[in-house]
Amino acid sequence: AQSVTQLGSHVSVSEGALVLLRCNYSSSVPPYLFWYVQYPNQGLQLLLKYTSAATLVKGINDFEAEFKKSETSFHLTKPSAHMSDAAEYFCAVSEGGGSYIPTFGRGTSLIVHP
Amino acid sequence: DVKVTQSSRYLVKRTGEKVFLECVQDMDHENMFWYRQDPGLGLRLIYFSYDVKMKEKGDIPEGYSVSREKKERFSLILESASTNQTSMYLCATEDRDMYFGPGTRLTVT
Repeated sequence: AQSVTQLGSHVSVSEGALVLLRCNYSSSVPPYLFWYVQYPNQGLQLLLKYTSAATLVKGINDFEAEFKKSETSFHLTKPSAHMSDAAEYFCAVSEGGGSYIPTFGRGTSLIVHP
Repeated sequence: DVKVTQSSRYLVKRTGEKVFLECVQDMDHENMFWYRQDPGLGLRLIYFSYDVKMKEKGDIPEGYSVSREKKERFSLILESASTNQTSMYLCATEDRDMYFGPGTRLTVT
C-alpha cells in the first residue's frame, strides 16, 4: 500500500525567502513521486517527478525536490519565493512498477508575504 | 498540449437531483479518472477507467457512478445529489503523467 504525508497544511514565507514543503511517503515497492501545484480556481499541474533516475529532480519555476530513500522523503524546495508561487501544493506517490494511479497528500497551502 | 475540459466550472443543484459532470480529453489517452477535492482532505479517487466501457471503483465510489461510452469522454453521475457531495470535482487523464481539467465546483443545496 502507498501513502503520503505532507507536514503542515499551511506554510508562510516572505518574498525572497527559501521555500520548503515537506513530504514523506510509504510504498511497498520503489515509488514514483510527484509534486503538483494548483493555482486558485485551476486544476493541478505537474511541477516535477521522480521516476528512479537522478535523486535530485528539477522542475518548473526553479522548484526542485530530492528523493531520500533512507528518510522516505521527497521535500520540495525553491531558493527564493515569489508572490506568484502562492498556491496549493500536492505531493503524490505511485507504485511505478505496477499501477500508475497516484495517491495524493492532503496538500500544503503556500502563502507568500511581500 | 494535452487538453482536458470539464463541462461546467460552477454548478448548483438541489438535493435529490441527478447530476452529470462531463469530461472530455483530446489526447487519445486510455486512462481517465474522477477525483473530488475537499479542504484538508486532498484529492480522493472516486472512479477510474482504463478503456471504453470499462470502470473501476476508487476509494470513495458510494453515491456515484460513471459512464465511458467513447474513449475521449468520461462522465461522473450523481444519481441523487446530497449536500455532502458539495465539493470540487477534478477529471484527469494519464499517460505516465497525469493531466487535470480545471475542475467543477458543485454546490448541492
